[in-house]
Amino acid sequence: SAVISQKPSRDICQRGTSLTIQCQVDSQVTMMFWYRQQPGQSLTLIATANQGSEATYESGFVIDKFPISRPNLTFSTLTVSNMSPEDSSIYLCSAIGRFYEQYFGPGTRLTVT
Amino acid sequence: AQTVTQSQPEMSVQEAETVTLSCTYDTSESDYYLFWYKQPPSRQMILVIRQEAYKQQNATENRFSVNFQKAAKSFSLKISDSQLGDAAMYFCAYTRRDDKIIFGKGTRLHILP
Repeated sequence: SAVISQKPSRDICQRGTSLTIQCQVDSQVTMMFWYRQQPGQSLTLIATANQGSEATYESGFVIDKFPISRPNLTFSTLTVSNMSPEDSSIYLCSAIGRFYEQYFGPGTRLTVT
Repeated sequence: AQTVTQSQPEMSVQEAETVTLSCTYDTSESDYYLFWYKQPPSRQMILVIRQEAYKQQNATENRFSVNFQKAAKSFSLKISDSQLGDAAMYFCAYTRRDDKIIFGKGTRLHILP
């Protein structure tokens, strides 16, 4: 199994600013994913991040708002840009495992004021 | 499009008893993978159990086992000898190889002492 760390674990930000969330995997992985989750609800996929190519965004999510980098096989970042209170959520990254399961980071709790 | 349905938003079980969480899915694929994830209040998503669709034998991990009915597209999770630490949100999930995971809406499990 992969061990995934995320930074920061939580942050409080002012509207109009941007926050970059970092995701580090302890082994090389092909696919990484970024999710958003409201408390008590299921996960919503934001985008799939592949090394060496542009991220693939799900419907309702755009690159200008959520730019993603994937510089190598163990690291990815998600930026939440021009934040509004509606962006307050938990953001999780994950990496695909050997048997197509996904392993998740501990999440970043973002509050926008 | 593939869908995953968890029809029980909440369930309760007495400590040491057995509980079964239901999940159905819809797909036209023959090769796929199913998972149950646990998310305790700490919000860390933990892989509980994995089932490959081509395997007829039901997966088992200690106190956790599944009842996989491929023709019925059913994938239930049985937790035996329930413990207080089993209290969490449980998500059923589906994926094909190297693809995004589709999650159900989750079942919140309460353990009654």
